[in-house]
Amino acid sequence: KAGVTQTPRYLIKTRGQQVTLSCSPISGHRSVSWYQQTPGQGLQFLFEYFSETQRNKGNFPGRFSGRQFSNSRSEMNVSTLELGDSALYLCASSPSGTGELFFGEGSRLTVL
Amino acid sequence: QQQVKQSPQSLIVQKGGISIINCAYENTAFDYFPWYQQFPGKGPALLIAIRPDVSEKKEGRFTISFNKSAKQFSLHIMDSQPGDSATYFCAASAGNTPLVFGKGTRLSVIA
Repeated sequence: KAGVTQTPRYLIKTRGQQVTLSCSPISGHRSVSWYQQTPGQGLQFLFEYFSETQRNKGNFPGRFSGRQFSNSRSEMNVSTLELGDSALYLCASSPSGTGELFFGEGSRLTVL
Repeated sequence: QQQVKQSPQSLIVQKGGISIINCAYENTAFDYFPWYQQFPGKGPALLIAIRPDVSEKKEGRFTISFNKSAKQFSLHIMDSQPGDSATYFCAASAGNTPLVFGKGTRLSVIA
């Protein structure tokens, strides 16, 4: 069974630009969660989608948004990038949203 | 407000020794306590998890000890090996709420 796939793996943007990250969950998993990982703050929850509906949302500004498609694939978007948005963005899927999360390898975003 | 406090930030252990990482939480509604292991360039992967109805869970060399009254849980790695060198995260959740992670412990096992 294929794991969680995230694209792109690495990207560099400049302040003010926007970025879209993509996540393909494990087949059959209906829940997709996004986390931001930084050295100082660890893993911080962004949002969770289940069957195309946002079920939980973390404490991030409105510049961070996401969506989930009918095939459970998910995208997250960050608009008006700031230097502090530089981080590893991790996507995780699970069958129901509770219990074990299966993480992808992440998309490393650098904002210059 | 950090809901799960993890210590130490970094840990160096001799090969064959015991690695111990501790976590403390405040939210008494938490009912699921996993530990994740992350190698450089990879996403975190579930190592072992416990629910509060038991005080200890062992899987191979890895053991979670859980103290409900103290609101603390810890990971013990017995006979630590260089291949165990990674970053370890404790986490907690309640029902359908998202996992809240500690800030991680970087473990180095030296020969």
